[in-house]
Amino acid sequence: GDSVTQMEGPVTLSEEAFLTINCTYTATGYPSLFWYVQYPGEGLQLLLKATKADDKGSNKGFEATYRKETTSFHLEKGSVQVSDSAVYFCALRTSYDKVIFGPGTSLSVIP
Amino acid sequence: EAGVAQSPRYKIIEKRQSVAFWCNPISGHATLYWYQQILGQGPKLLIQFQNNGVVDDSQLPKDRFSAERLKGVDSTLKIQPAKLEDSAVYLCASSFRAGLDTQYFGPGTRLTVL
Repeated sequence: GDSVTQMEGPVTLSEEAFLTINCTYTATGYPSLFWYVQYPGEGLQLLLKATKADDKGSNKGFEATYRKETTSFHLEKGSVQVSDSAVYFCALRTSYDKVIFGPGTSLSVIP
Repeated sequence: EAGVAQSPRYKIIEKRQSVAFWCNPISGHATLYWYQQILGQGPKLLIQFQNNGVVDDSQLPKDRFSAERLKGVDSTLKIQPAKLEDSAVYLCASSFRAGLDTQYFGPGTRLTVL
């Protein structure tokens, strides 16, 4: 069945370090792909999305490219800040409109 | 624009008790979703409404969980009776329509079953 796999956390980085959070998926058809972020004490927020192969989603300095050949949607940021500390969820929306989330990756950025 | 509202934010009950959660979606959003998020896992869809009709409830444990969306606006999710494994955060989300539109999430209700 359809599924999403993310790298396990927690991830701890120093401020201004480069961030990569790996995400791979299994799905039939052509899913849309998403990254959601959950800051401490807050609800899930959409961070970025891509709806077709080779699309690049970007927001707040974060980027992810829809790679159909490797079924991946890795999240990257060139220079993280303390305020980026949160849990990041990769997700896909299937052709029958169901959203499936990965388990989440916790990121802590230390000054 | 007001976001998705949920209440209560926290609830502690004993097993076999009943509990209900309330969600008020963003005004004008036709589609409403309830998710269960167990600690350390991603959210799992329990039920999806389109206006006041159920679109998908395939993962809703119907022997103990029920949900309704009367008048196609607010929604209530109920658990009766609760089990220890129901301890989780219950998230409500809404979107203008199903399919292409972004889902907006509420802050969630954290349920602890003792």
